[in-house]
Amino acid sequence: EAAVTQSPRSKVAVTGGKVTLSCHQTNNHDYMYWYRQDTGHGLRLIHYSYVADSTEKGDIPDGYKASRPSQENFSLILELASLSQTAVYFCASSDRASNTEVFFGKGTRLTVV
Amino acid sequence: AQSVTQPDARVTVSEGASLQLRCKYSYSATPYLFWYVQYPRQGLQLLLKYYSGDPVVQGVNSFEAEFSKSNSSFHLRKASVHWSDSAVYFCALSMSTNAYKVIFGKGTHLHVLP
Repeated sequence: EAAVTQSPRSKVAVTGGKVTLSCHQTNNHDYMYWYRQDTGHGLRLIHYSYVADSTEKGDIPDGYKASRPSQENFSLILELASLSQTAVYFCASSDRASNTEVFFGKGTRLTVV
Repeated sequence: AQSVTQPDARVTVSEGASLQLRCKYSYSATPYLFWYVQYPRQGLQLLLKYYSGDPVVQGVNSFEAEFSKSNSSFHLRKASVHWSDSAVYFCALSMSTNAYKVIFGKGTHLHVLP
């Protein structure tokens, strides 16, 4: 079964600190995504990647970097965490075709204090 | 611009009642449409999808949805809800011209009263 695994599942970070969220997929999918979920906003795309060693900006990339060192792994990096980045972050993967579903990880709850 | 609108942020129904969750989309080309469900502290899971053919599609757990091109809608239905259906439901649009671009609605929080 398709699987997307995120780590950690929750994290408390201090303002100004560096945070790395990791994601691993065993789906052999080309596309990987990082979404942010906030109450009232639904899911917003931060970064995505369609091939290893390449990342693209999504709709809300400011304050975030992404890294795709291999097809299976995709990281989200907050170089200088801020209070406004407190949210639940979801990693996801999908096949290249538009009519296929997106497979989600269980999310990482990030609290910046 | 492409968009997905779920007009109801929260819906409350009694167990055994029928359910309709509304979804409207805006997209000029062929849409690929999905409904996902999110249970507490979980990621989103696919309920059903539509990309061609019969406008009524069946999904898991007795959910179905009907695509209407004339109304630009993709409403989710269930004949009889169970308390375990309480969750957040997301409608999503995948664009045929951009494989990566999936647009999600803001979600509808369904609360089923036992």
